[in-house]
Amino acid sequence: QVHLVQSGSELKKPGASVTVSCKASGYSFTTYSMNWLRQAPGHGLEWMGWINTKTGSPYYAQAYTGRFEFFFDTSVSTAYLQISSLKPEDSALYYCATDYVLRGHKAFDLWGQGTTVTVSS
Amino acid sequence: QSALTQPPSASGSPGQSVTISCTGTSSDVGTYNYVSWYQQHPGKAPKVLIYEVSKRPSGVPDRFSGTKSGNTASLTVSGLQAEDEADYFCSSYGGTTTVVFGGGTKLTVL
Repeated sequence: QVHLVQSGSELKKPGASVTVSCKASGYSFTTYSMNWLRQAPGHGLEWMGWINTKTGSPYYAQAYTGRFEFFFDTSVSTAYLQISSLKPEDSALYYCATDYVLRGHKAFDLWGQGTTVTVSS
Repeated sequence: QSALTQPPSASGSPGQSVTISCTGTSSDVGTYNYVSWYQQHPGKAPKVLIYEVSKRPSGVPDRFSGTKSGNTASLTVSGLQAEDEADYFCSSYGGTTTVVFGGGTKLTVL
């Protein structure tokens, strides 16, 4: 079975950092890039960017440069999203996703279950 | 990169058809045939219904169809069923490895 399993909900104070993990199973981790998406209340889905799991090169959407970092550990087939200097507006549901079956077709058919990050003092 | 524009809501009665639009620009929808549609039920991750404008992944009913004209893509749900009530998102490739999503449309089955 092919799965992406994300870490649990996080409650953080403004200014802190958070790391969300996304563990892949059932497929070769380095074969498929990993994308990160954000869903905030009333804001729909936003694509944050992706990381090439073969080369390690990340690409960040314009709105997600600076405080956001994608990285991974191939030894545990896990991708990570780290957000630093958290702001209340970072409160959202974060997803990892990849194009497993639809590779190259620019559509995400394999999703994690989502991780809720809440930033509040 | 601006989000694609979708109507916030749509509705239809069981058995009817409903079409949801997704308007982009010549930099995304108008140039690339990489428009996808996703269905999201409450508390669930999105599920891809349509990719490359009109193709359905295995297992997606043919009640779901997609088209594109110019900068606007559309998703049509035919023979509406109660379980089609969900949020629907469009996305498009925007060049230079970027992807842009729409704001989402809440479909209500009356």
